[in-house]
Amino acid sequence: DTGVSQNPRHKITKRGQNVTFRCDPISEHNRLYWYRQTLGQGPEFLTYFQNEAQLEKSRLLSDRFSAERPKGSFSTLEIQRTEQGDSAMYLCASSLTSFRAETQYFGPGTRLLVL
Amino acid sequence: GDSVTQMEGPVTLSEEAFLTINCTYTATGYPSLFWYVQYPGEGLQLLLKATKADDKGSNKGFEATYRKETTSFHLEKGSVQVSDSAVYFCALIPPSGNTPLVFGKGTRLSVIA
Repeated sequence: DTGVSQNPRHKITKRGQNVTFRCDPISEHNRLYWYRQTLGQGPEFLTYFQNEAQLEKSRLLSDRFSAERPKGSFSTLEIQRTEQGDSAMYLCASSLTSFRAETQYFGPGTRLLVL
Repeated sequence: GDSVTQMEGPVTLSEEAFLTINCTYTATGYPSLFWYVQYPGEGLQLLLKATKADDKGSNKGFEATYRKETTSFHLEKGSVQVSDSAVYFCALIPPSGNTPLVFGKGTRLSVIA
């Protein structure tokens, strides 16, 4: 399978704990995006990378959130001191920057529940 | 800022019924438009896309036409099946092209036999 993969698929944690999610994009894709999806809503952009450079961060991304993409391959999203409001599905997508309408390919997501 | 508005769901249809899910957008210039589908327990999948006015995207019997004059990208299918039950998201990428997707809230479709 050469699609986007995310691990873990599910994470339950207690409030105040730190969590880290991993995303492995499609191998030749240079762009990697993180989105968050809450129940009944569409995905909302968090941050994205071109290769290893983080190009943009949403206002949704508080200072408790950090993302990295070392060597321009996989990416990690860390949430420190989790809060119940962080409970959501975290989606990763990748694309190849070429033409205007780049298609983003999504992974299955990591569902986070903060107790 | 750029935004997408979809008709609220849920939408419940009988098998073989005609489907329309309305989507309108607000953006400066000419964005690229997408429909993504999320089947139960699965990730988002691209269903179809259109990159310029009057383009028609199509896939799996679904169609949507980019209408600049009405800033719309309505999704249609002539005869739905139970397997089409899913959440459908309309989305855009602004004209600059190299930016994240802006999604609508999604419309849940349930098709009953």
